[in-house]
Amino acid sequence: AQSVTQLGSHVSVSEGALVLLRCNYSSSVPPYLFWYVQYPNQGLQLLLKYTTGATLVKGINGFEAEFKKSETSFHLTKPSAHMSDAAEYFCAVSGSGTSYGKLTFGQGTILTVHP
Amino acid sequence: EAQVTQNPRYLITVTGKKLTVTCSQNMNHEYMSWYRQDPGLGLRQIYYSMNVEVTDKGDVPEGYKVSRKEKRNFPLILESPSPNQTSLYFCASRVQGSETQYFGPGTRLLVL
Repeated sequence: AQSVTQLGSHVSVSEGALVLLRCNYSSSVPPYLFWYVQYPNQGLQLLLKYTTGATLVKGINGFEAEFKKSETSFHLTKPSAHMSDAAEYFCAVSGSGTSYGKLTFGQGTILTVHP
Repeated sequence: EAQVTQNPRYLITVTGKKLTVTCSQNMNHEYMSWYRQDPGLGLRQIYYSMNVEVTDKGDVPEGYKVSRKEKRNFPLILESPSPNQTSLYFCASRVQGSETQYFGPGTRLLVL
């Protein structure tokens, strides 16, 4: 069984400020972890993913995330927010075995960026 | 261009009127799935298919049917839609052995 919890359904930051979106997961097998972004009226776009290897992963648009097994976390960060980052962000987990390829999503976090 | 397409993008219907949402991918992916997105609930898997003629239930399959007669197509069928199926629907696909899924643009359904 696997699950994802995103802390904070809405996050608001000023342009140029640090972006931190929190994600905690549970998984009975070694997890694969993903962050997706959804811009208004669009589909989901993969931002970054962790499968194995380096625990700090870099994605598109200056985002990165760190896999912390001891904390079961995969928080998404960006040093300096831009107006174009305003969107909804989803953390997701999949695993190996029978759950391989099945994505379980968090509830989503809406990011607002103020000028 | 490699993509997942869905049709229609927007649909308004009435309770009980059968409808089909089509999904097609041109990447020769074995795995396809359907999700619904509802505010505060994220995306939840409805059905998935590991390959042609192989389908299985996801987390919220009630009220839906699927078929996989061709590798590229994975239609979602609502035999008797109800208002609680008003939602945003996404189709996704991935190649066998890869963990990365590619999503279609979504279909917004309103059932009156």
